[in-house]
Amino acid sequence: SQKIEQNSEALNIQEGKTATLTCNYTNYSPAYLQWYRQDPGRGPVFLLLIRENEKEKRKERLKVTFDTTLKQSLFHITASQPADSATYLCALEVKSTFGDGTTLTVKP
Amino acid sequence: DTGVSQDPRHKITKRGQNVTFRCDPISEHNRLYWYRQTLGQGPEFLTYFQNEAQLEKSRLLSDRFSAERPKGSFSTLEIQRTEQGDSAMYLCASSSEKYSFGYGYTFGSGTRLTVV
Repeated sequence: SQKIEQNSEALNIQEGKTATLTCNYTNYSPAYLQWYRQDPGRGPVFLLLIRENEKEKRKERLKVTFDTTLKQSLFHITASQPADSATYLCALEVKSTFGDGTTLTVKP
Repeated sequence: DTGVSQDPRHKITKRGQNVTFRCDPISEHNRLYWYRQTLGQGPEFLTYFQNEAQLEKSRLLSDRFSAERPKGSFSTLEIQRTEQGDSAMYLCASSSEKYSFGYGYTFGSGTRLTVV
């Protein structure tokens, strides 16, 4: 079955820096991959979707890359702010198999 | 439309009791999903409806779990003879087959189940 792993449980960075989160997957070749943000006690909120034929997608301060050879997606938040502190989840298509998330803390 | 609504937000039940949760998706979305999430884990897929048809069920969904979407609108998830291991957040999400690319899933705020 497909497996999806996110690089670390927690990432702490200083305000203004770029946060980079990693998502690796195995045993699958997804047509697309999604990133979500989840705040404590709330459901995930959709951020970005990138298709297999797209190398990069941007939305405001967010950038996602998708390398189907490495089976990896990178999620970047530039000029990070304390309000960006949350858990970020990646998900493969098909029933949206989710990773366990990376909890980002941006310190002022 | 105010998004995906789930009811109740919290449910505390005694072991062995039956519980039912409700999900009202975004009205124009024909796809509906149920997930279960425990602390520190990502959401785990339980089941998926397209309109009123239940197209897929996870192996996680034991015979104590049942989901319905009778008219292709709201959905219910019932857990019979609850066990302490059922304690989790139950999330509902919806999406449109028509706009599946680019829009992701819209999740509700979940129902937090505690089995004591």
